[in-house]
Amino acid sequence: DTEVTQTPKHLVMGMTNKKSLKCEQHMGHRAMYWYKQKAKKPPELMFVYSYEKLSINESVPSRFSPECPNSSLLNLHLHALQPEDSALYLCASSQDRDKYTDTQYFGPGTRLTVL
Amino acid sequence: AQRVTQPEKLLSVFKGAPVELKCNYSYSGSPELFWYVQYSRQRLQLLLRHISRESIKGFTADLNKGETSFHLKKPFAQEEDSAMYYCALRGGNKLVFGAGTILRVKS
Repeated sequence: DTEVTQTPKHLVMGMTNKKSLKCEQHMGHRAMYWYKQKAKKPPELMFVYSYEKLSINESVPSRFSPECPNSSLLNLHLHALQPEDSALYLCASSQDRDKYTDTQYFGPGTRLTVL
Repeated sequence: AQRVTQPEKLLSVFKGAPVELKCNYSYSGSPELFWYVQYSRQRLQLLLRHISRESIKGFTADLNKGETSFHLKKPFAQEEDSAMYYCALRGGNKLVFGAGTILRVKS
């Protein structure tokens, strides 16, 4: 399996809901990433996990809570989101973020709409 | 801080014409640069990276440290090249993207 998969493809939630996004890879990659992409804008880094430990949090609001239960799985728990959080959420993985030649591979994204 | 600038939001060319998508960067360390492409309704995917010095789908890009540029070139554009192209810089274990350039190849 040489792809990053993300579920669900689409998610609509209210501001009081709690939901989770899921990302999976079976390429043996040890670094995983969450990005947020607004329409017609580039992806913006949110979190980086390296060897299942959170290594970068780009000052993301606490209503977004990442979790890395194992080396193949990355979750993003959502709670009390705002309409401006509506975006495409991308997951990526790479072999090892500390290597100079590291390359990130992206999932198809989850399109989130907050009502 | 690292920064990537893609000055053109949209580049429109005719099929068979040469293409050059511009990318300039700012980074104090030794950069690693990439071009990512996003075709309509498809995931973001790596096109090429400077360290590989390879040609993918006829595209090439050369890192020019003096001009801090990493422009993407193709001698003859094809309709299937139409997509969003992002230049990205990896520095300090973070990947930072430019704003992107839409390439539209007209028949």
